Amino acid sequence: SAVISQKPSRDICQRGTSLTIQCQVDSQVTMMFWYRQQPGQSLTLIATANQGSEATYESGFVIDKFPISRPNLTFSTLTVSNMSPEDSSIYLCSVDTGQEETQYFGPGTRLLVL
Amino acid sequence: SQKIEQNSEALNIQEGKTATLTCNYTNYSPAYLQWYRQDPGRGPVFLLLIRENEKEKRKERLKVTFDTTLKQSLFHITASQPADSATYLCALGSNYKLTFGKGTLLTVNP
Repeated sequence: SAVISQKPSRDICQRGTSLTIQCQVDSQVTMMFWYRQQPGQSLTLIATANQGSEATYESGFVIDKFPISRPNLTFSTLTVSNMSPEDSSIYLCSVDTGQEETQYFGPGTRLLVL
Repeated sequence: SQKIEQNSEALNIQEGKTATLTCNYTNYSPAYLQWYRQDPGRGPVFLLLIRENEKEKRKERLKVTFDTTLKQSLFHITASQPADSATYLCALGSNYKLTFGKGTLLTVNP
């Protein structure tokens, strides 16, 4: 298993600003992911954070809007850039430890953009 | 495009009964299917995984079935308890990537 923490747990931001969310894992993992969960919607994969190389983004998500860093095997950041109210959502990071394709999720970051 | 439907947004049952949640999908051939539990204000927690070549998996009071012909999974909680009240998410997986349904909010009434 893996224990994941995220910072901040919640934030209220003004439109046009950017917020960086941190994800810390208690063990080294190869695969880290970033998801978005909008109200009443399913979890949607934003990107896979790759250590030592650029993140792999899913359709509909671009690096300019959601830049991701992965400096080592236990840490990643997601930045939500030039925010608008439509970016109000819960952002979650998850990891796959390589055991049975199970993903472990962080508690999420609740973002409200005014 | 891929589509995942979980039978209902909300399900209410009496304590002690069996809860049955449904996950249907189209335009997808997953290598495996997972069920997660999500409580308010928390991230999803993994419950069970079933692979495309498996029909049924059990874990304590939980049972999941997987019918790749019908493109459907059923998730059962037997002898349900109020503590089982939560949102349950179905997720289809392939190459470590997961595609989630919207979830079913289960309420078990004492």
